[in-house]
Amino acid sequence: DIQMTQSPSSLSASVGDRVTITCQASQDISNYLNWYQQKPGKAPKLLIYDASNLETGVPSRFSGSGSGTDFTFTISSLQPEDIATYYCQQYDNLPLFGGGTKVEIK
Amino acid sequence: QLQLQESGPGLVKPSETLSLTCTVSGGSISSSSYYWGWIRQPPGKGLEWIGSIYYSGSTYYNPSLKSRVTISVDTSKNQFSLKLSSVTAADTAVYYCARQRWELPEGWFDPWGQGTLVTVSS
Repeated sequence: DIQMTQSPSSLSASVGDRVTITCQASQDISNYLNWYQQKPGKAPKLLIYDASNLETGVPSRFSGSGSGTDFTFTISSLQPEDIATYYCQQYDNLPLFGGGTKVEIK
Repeated sequence: QLQLQESGPGLVKPSETLSLTCTVSGGSISSSSYYWGWIRQPPGKGLEWIGSIYYSGSTYYNPSLKSRVTISVDTSKNQFSLKLSSVTAADTAVYYCARQRWELPEGWFDPWGQGTLVTVSS
């Protein structure tokens, strides 16, 4: 079974900072990875699909990269409205979510 | 604009069966391009995929839940449903339904319903 390791589990950064979250798969999943944003009390929202494609309407400060087993999600300049938990999700086999990264403002 | 809405009891007794329905509006559940999925989130925890169904009735389940899960579809009502049997407190969670694009190289969930909290308690 594929395992997804997302890190860190939480982080605190200042407005304007560059924020990076990683997701590591236990085996090669090509680019079959998505990233979601979940704000408190809300449903998750798709931000990045196929590892690096920005969903329509999502601000360009969000980006994704990687392939194979190592993936990165980046917020180039953290904004107050980006406070949320972010999840990766692989779909090489059955869908599986990473454990999540809670992003807070310092 | 496609919208999904979960409905069903918010409280289920231990050992009983949890039943939820997701109603799709603004589009057809019979679209050949999409699956329809259930995902849950225990309070304060992460997301867990439960299973997905195609409009033809073809299903895929999370192996960890497969023995207790049944997902069905009613194309005439534009709805799909979840049944989870023999529930325990560990099944307490917010349950989401979502449209799923699952045709490689794509495999995302979007949009999602607002979610419904189901508590398992006597």
